[in-house]
Amino acid sequence: QKEVEQNSGPLSVPEGAIASLNCTYSDRGSQSFFWYRQYSGKSPELIMSIYSNGDKEDGRFTAQLNKASQYVSLLIRDSQPSDSATYLCAVHFGNEKLTFGTGTRLTIIP
Amino acid sequence: ETGVTQSPTHLIKTRGQQVTLRCSSQSGHNTVSWYQQALGQGPQFIFQYYREEENGRGNFPPRFSGLQFPNYSSELNVNALELDDSALYLCASSYITEETQYFGPGTRLLVL
Repeated sequence: QKEVEQNSGPLSVPEGAIASLNCTYSDRGSQSFFWYRQYSGKSPELIMSIYSNGDKEDGRFTAQLNKASQYVSLLIRDSQPSDSATYLCAVHFGNEKLTFGTGTRLTIIP
Repeated sequence: ETGVTQSPTHLIKTRGQQVTLRCSSQSGHNTVSWYQQALGQGPQFIFQYYREEENGRGNFPPRFSGLQFPNYSSELNVNALELDDSALYLCASSYITEETQYFGPGTRLLVL
């Protein structure tokens, strides 16, 4: 059973600080990793995709991948109240389909 | 907005009934995947359709079935509804050669 693990939170971060979201996965052969943001009552929205070890930056968001440790993270710099949402980590396991974690609920405190 | 549309937005059914949910994929996308998201959980993969055929299925019983049409739109059918089928049903479209999926707004189903 392929698994994706996330701390469910809630994670509270002061406005302007860095929010750090973590995800681990069970299959060392996984190749594709995604972060989705989901506001309450809405559908998931793609934030970042990452395929290679290291960091990938897009605006205030940085995804970090460490395949040896089977670990992927998302950093949000200069956190804003609008970043308050549930963040879903998703992993593509080989020929299988996208597997999601349960999500981490992030609250930015003004 | 992703360009993926779903209908209806909300639906209330009673146990034992049947339901059909619809999805139109983003322009140019040839693959549609369906997910079930229960409250407080991540989306669970139901199945994927490509070229009008099922292209992978998650751990869901046969009473969950689907279709894909020549214009790449898709339907999810659920027979003999159970209370636990109450969830947000998400449709995601993509290219078969790419793994990035884009979600529609979802259909919220309540089974009483």
